[in-house]
Amino acid sequence: SSELTQDTAVSVALGLTVRITCQGDSLRGYYASWYQQKPGQAPVLVIYGKDNRPSGIPDRFSGSSSGNTASLTITGAQAVDEADYYCNSRDSINNHVVFGGGTKLTVL
Amino acid sequence: QVQLQESGPGLVKPSQTLSLTCTVSGGSISSGSYYWSWIRQPAGKGLEWIGRIYTNGSTNYNPSLKSRVTISVDTSKNQFSLKLTSVTAADTAMYYCARYNYDSSGYQLFDYWGQGTLVTVSS
Repeated sequence: SSELTQDTAVSVALGLTVRITCQGDSLRGYYASWYQQKPGQAPVLVIYGKDNRPSGIPDRFSGSSSGNTASLTITGAQAVDEADYYCNSRDSINNHVVFGGGTKLTVL
Repeated sequence: QVQLQESGPGLVKPSQTLSLTCTVSGGSISSGSYYWSWIRQPAGKGLEWIGRIYTNGSTNYNPSLKSRVTISVDTSKNQFSLKLTSVTAADTAMYYCARYNYDSSGYQLFDYWGQGTLVTVSS
């Protein structure tokens, strides 16, 4: 299956650490990329590859992967991190791109 | 800095064809090993990959939309386009264009996105 599964919603207290996960068979072949989307805005790439951050993304964002599971970790979550987070990967068998269903992060 | 901008009608009648164009600036659409993609998002829902095109014209489409989708590229205008036929209310969504890249080491990513354009299917 080329589907990616994410928890629908996650919450974290201000300043603490939160992990958002993404599961799927396609993650065995390709690293997940992670996107942050705030209301009314386009998604923004925050993590790609093994653990790479585009320029301008704070270092409190990090990524990891093991087997068919990828994780996005926010260490010291800030109020501005409250957003929807999507993972994506590539289904190399069918040469398609897949997205997870998204995780709504609430910072309490 | 690469920038993408979607354009096209914001309202399409049911059964008609949705047509959108993405204009790329800040770099040539022909340079590098990039795939130019369309992604959509119904209000309050998640992202759905529609398809992509390489600058040599090769395409890949989401199987769920494949029978209705055509993506083309015009390198002379630095643009690529989406056509979705026989639209229904279920095709109402924000449509994004984006640049996609992947390599054999396992990296894959959408690194640049347009701001999106809302398309409503209604009579």
